[in-house]
Amino acid sequence: DAGVIQSPRHEVTEMGQEVTLRCKPISGHDYLFWYRQTMMRGLELLIYFNNNVPIDDSGMPEDRFSAKMPNASFSTLKIQPSEPRDSAVYFCASRGTSWGETQYFGPGTRLLVL
Amino acid sequence: RKEVEQDPGPFNVPEGATVAFNCTYSNSASQSFFWYRQDCRKEPKLLMSVYSSGNEDGRFTAQLNRASQYISLLIRDSKLSDSATYLCVVNQGGTSYGKLTFGQGTILTVHP
Repeated sequence: DAGVIQSPRHEVTEMGQEVTLRCKPISGHDYLFWYRQTMMRGLELLIYFNNNVPIDDSGMPEDRFSAKMPNASFSTLKIQPSEPRDSAVYFCASRGTSWGETQYFGPGTRLLVL
Repeated sequence: RKEVEQDPGPFNVPEGATVAFNCTYSNSASQSFFWYRQDCRKEPKLLMSVYSSGNEDGRFTAQLNRASQYISLLIRDSKLSDSATYLCVVNQGGTSYGKLTFGQGTILTVHP
């Protein structure tokens, strides 16, 4: 299995631009998670989906952030407009349905907003 | 109070040392527990699950105390390659069935 795939791996953009991060979960996994990691705040859950449906988006910082999962093999996290404080590493993770099963993380997207 | 709390360290230990990390969680209904490891500039990866009876994987031993809401990780005979950030992770269950909560992580540096 290829594991969780994220793209791009690195993104540098200017304040005000739209940023789209992409994720392909492990095949057969029912849950997909988007996290953000910074030195100050650690690893924060932004949103998670179960069977393509958003379950908990309480971690999404504000309306500039949106996430979609149009099918079981693809999800996007969009920031519009981007701000310098959005600079972070964004991880996507997926897991199966069995109780106690853990999550597998993608390699992350390093975002720098200038 | 944070949902999952860890001593951030850093822990600096010589090769061969034994080191222990502690973690507490606030939700008594939490159902499953893990330790993840994160290397510098990499993604978190599962190190081991934590079972009520305690479990061991080579040099690593994990313990869970539900009454005290406390999790520990013991590393024996530390290697240079053990240097990483160790994340305590809790699945709170219930309506948060799929959601893991991560501690801030404990930084370990093993030196020659």
